[in-house]
Amino acid sequence: DAGVIQSPRHEVTEMGQEVTLRCKPISGHNSLFWYRQTMMRGLELLIYFNNNVPIDDSGMPEDRFSAKMPNASFSTLKIQPSEPRDSAVYFCASSPGGDRTEAFFGQGTRLTVV
Amino acid sequence: GENVEQHPSTLSVQEGDSAVIKCTYSDSASNYFPWYKQELGKRPQLIIDIRSNVGEKKDQRIAVTLNKTAKHFSLHITETQPEDSAVYFCAASKGGSYIPTFGRGTSLIVHP
Repeated sequence: DAGVIQSPRHEVTEMGQEVTLRCKPISGHNSLFWYRQTMMRGLELLIYFNNNVPIDDSGMPEDRFSAKMPNASFSTLKIQPSEPRDSAVYFCASSPGGDRTEAFFGQGTRLTVV
Repeated sequence: GENVEQHPSTLSVQEGDSAVIKCTYSDSASNYFPWYKQELGKRPQLIIDIRSNVGEKKDQRIAVTLNKTAKHFSLHITETQPEDSAVYFCAASKGGSYIPTFGRGTSLIVHP
């Protein structure tokens, strides 16, 4: 398995533009997480899906952020409109669920909003 | 919700010394405590974990201890090497819905 795959690896966009980050979890994993990493705040959980259903989105900073998981093999995180303070590394992670609780992280997407 | 505090934020040691990173958690129901290592520009990766039914776990030069009463757990690295230099994150989670809450991270620097 190639692991958790995220795209793009780097994204530079202008303030006000829409940004879509993509994630393909490891096949068979039923939990998916989106995290944001910054120097100031560390790793922040944005949203958690279980079996494609959003379970906890309390970490989504505001209405500009939205996440979907239309099927077990794909998830998106969208920011519209983007702002400079959204600049961060966004990680997607998946976990097998049940007794196997390790979270496997993707390579991350480095987002820069100018 | 769960709150995880991690100390120190930066740790500088000489090669061969030991390094200890400490974390505390707030939710007594938390029962799974993983540690992740993140090298510069790379993804966090699990290096060791411990569940609440044990007090200590070792894997070669790495060990983790857990004190459920005090709600704290620690990572111990012995005989540190330059390749141990990285940011280390502790995390805590509970129950069947595994949602890890991460500490702020510790930047470990091992000087040759």
